Amino acid sequence: EVQLVESGGGLVKPGGSLRLSCAASGFTFSSYSINWVRQIAGKGLEWVSSISFGSTYIYYADSMRGRFTISRDDAKNSLYLQIDSLRAEDTAIYYCARDIYQGRLIFLPDYWGQGTLVTVAS
Amino acid sequence: NFMLTQPHSVSGSPGETVIISCTRTSGSIASNYVQWYQQRPGSAPTLVIYENYQRFSGVPDRFSGSIDISSNSASLIVSGLKTEDEADYYCQSYDPLNQVFGGGTKLTVL
Repeated sequence: EVQLVESGGGLVKPGGSLRLSCAASGFTFSSYSINWVRQIAGKGLEWVSSISFGSTYIYYADSMRGRFTISRDDAKNSLYLQIDSLRAEDTAIYYCARDIYQGRLIFLPDYWGQGTLVTVAS
Repeated sequence: NFMLTQPHSVSGSPGETVIISCTRTSGSIASNYVQWYQQRPGSAPTLVIYENYQRFSGVPDRFSGSIDISSNSASLIVSGLKTEDEADYYCQSYDPLNQVFGGGTKLTVL
């Protein structure tokens, strides 16, 4: 069974930093590309970033470029999202989601984790 | 970058058929596949339809998808409505450098 479990969310002050983690199991993690998608409370889904298998290709949404850094550790079956200079508008649930096809990155999430809540407030 | 526009809400009674539309604002809807996600309250999104009309694993055949080039839109069709179908539905598509989600449609089963 494919499982993705996010962690690392919490309450952080504006200007602070946070590193989110996503632990994967039930599939060959190193062969799949992974996405981060966020959702502000009561709002829609917003793509944040994607990283290909092998970390060869990394993409960010235009509005996320500069403060967000995606990375992965295939030995630990884990994905990460470093967020710096946090702002109130970054308050959201952050989901990791696997890309559908092994060995490709086509921006098509299939399985999603349950998300981790990031709250930016003083 | 293109955008995907969805109606805010649709509704139907049990057993009826509802259609949720998703219109691409620039570029052809046929340029890249369209996906549909279901999100129940308090839960993560789940993939329902991918590559325009393919049902994801475990999705009942009451759910179907299509695209219409003339209106530059995609549609999610839910037939034989059940109370469990009440949820938010998001369309999604991509281009070579990014992915875009529609604003979401709340499906209410009356």
